[in-house]
Amino acid sequence: DAKTTQPNSMESNEEEPVHLPCNHSTISGTDYIHWYRQLPSQGPEYVIHGLTSNVNNRMASLAIAEDRKSSTLILHRATLRDAAVYYCIPKRCIIQGAQKLVFGQGTRLTINP
Amino acid sequence: DSGVTQTPKHLITATGQRVTLRCSPRSGDLSVYWYQQSLDQGLQFLIQYYNGEERAKGNILERFSAQQFPDLHSELNLSSLELGDSALYFCASSVGGAKRQYGYTFGSGTRLTVV
Repeated sequence: DAKTTQPNSMESNEEEPVHLPCNHSTISGTDYIHWYRQLPSQGPEYVIHGLTSNVNNRMASLAIAEDRKSSTLILHRATLRDAAVYYCIPKRCIIQGAQKLVFGQGTRLTINP
Repeated sequence: DSGVTQTPKHLITATGQRVTLRCSPRSGDLSVYWYQQSLDQGLQFLIQYYNGEERAKGNILERFSAQQFPDLHSELNLSSLELGDSALYFCASSVGGAKRQYGYTFGSGTRLTVV
C-alpha cells in the first residue's frame, strides 16, 4: 500500500476556499487517489476520486500533480458542515472483489464561523 | 441514510462475553468490509468479503470472526471480549467485481463498550 502524508490539522474560515494537501510519493501507476471524510460521530463518507486528471463533483474538486506524487482536495466554499477529518487514500484497482481502503491519520479540518 | 445498515447502534457487555454485529450492505453491493476505530488507533481494516467469500484480512484478532451470507449481509463475531475491544465498528460496502472505480459506502457504526 502506498504511504500518504497529510497535515495533522488545518483551520479555515467559513465561506472561504480550503486546500487540503496530500503527498503520496510511493503511489503506483494503477493506484487511484480517493478522498474520504469523517464527520464527528459518523462513518467515513466518500468525497471524490481520480487517477490522473483533475476531477470535480458537487462536493469538491481534486487536483492531481502531473507526477501523481501529490494531490490537493479543494473545498470551494467551506461551511461549518465541512468540519471533519479528511483522508487521502491511494487505492489499487483490481478486477474482482475490490480493494480495501487503508486509512491513515488524515487531516482534521476546523472551520471558523 | 447511507444505505448500509448496521445493528445494533450501541452495545454494552461484560468482559469475557461474545457479541455479534450485523451489517446489511447497500443494495447491489457485493463487497463488505469491517473496520474498527478506537481513539488511539484510528480506522483499522479488519476483514473483507466479496460475494460470500473472504477476500482480505487485516489486523483481525483470532477472537474475532466474520462471515457473509447468501443474501450478502455480514456478521462480525467478537468473543472473549476484553476492555481494549471497546471501539466503534464500521461496516462498508462497495460494488466490487468491476474495473471501474466506485466510492465505498459506510454505515453509521456500532459502538461497543466492554465493561
